[in-house]
Amino acid sequence: DTGVSQNPRHKITKRGQNVTFRCDPISEHNRLYWYRQTLGQGPEFLTYFQNEAQLEKSRLLSDRFSAERPKGSFSTLEIQRTEQGDSAMYLCASSLDGPNQPQHFGDGTRLSIL
Amino acid sequence: AQTVTQSQPEMSVQEAETVTLSCTYDTSESDYYLFWYKQPPSRQMILVIRQEAYKQQNATENRFSVNFQKAAKSFSLKISDSQLGDAAMYFCAFPNSGYSTLTFGKGTMLLVSP
Repeated sequence: DTGVSQNPRHKITKRGQNVTFRCDPISEHNRLYWYRQTLGQGPEFLTYFQNEAQLEKSRLLSDRFSAERPKGSFSTLEIQRTEQGDSAMYLCASSLDGPNQPQHFGDGTRLSIL
Repeated sequence: AQTVTQSQPEMSVQEAETVTLSCTYDTSESDYYLFWYKQPPSRQMILVIRQEAYKQQNATENRFSVNFQKAAKSFSLKISDSQLGDAAMYFCAFPNSGYSTLTFGKGTMLLVSP
């Protein structure tokens, strides 16, 4: 069990550029979640996958955001035409099925928009 | 929608002392789970403790315990014999309907002094 891995750790980009983040969950976990965390706040849910199916999306996930989990393993989160307000820490988590299963978080990707 | 409220932005405790972090929530569900997560500075979020709402007994994990008051919708975290390594941001979290994603409180920053 190597834990949840996220890449890159930091991303600095100019406004208007596209960025893509990757998340590798714990191998036996079939659920994968993306959250966004801004300074001084708790994580806010963005989207979640059960295997390769994207089952839920938050209202926070505008049409500039897209997430995939093509083979039910790793996931990517893409932000198109980045805006200043997209600056945040993007957290990925994974878990087993079940209401009492804890979510295991990665270190996050910190996005800074210049 | 579920709401989670942490009314203490910051708490301080001395080593070896006990501190209690408060959390209240609002839900119409009758059976659910509650979680406390810890996020040390620049490090990943980890699960501290979880409580099942249908269980009368309060959960305990070593120096960490909860005081769960279901009728009052209160879920506080008690840390006994505080250690320097306990310094972190602590988040209370509640599953959204369908037990998929989590709603987090805004967090309480715990400072531990020698």
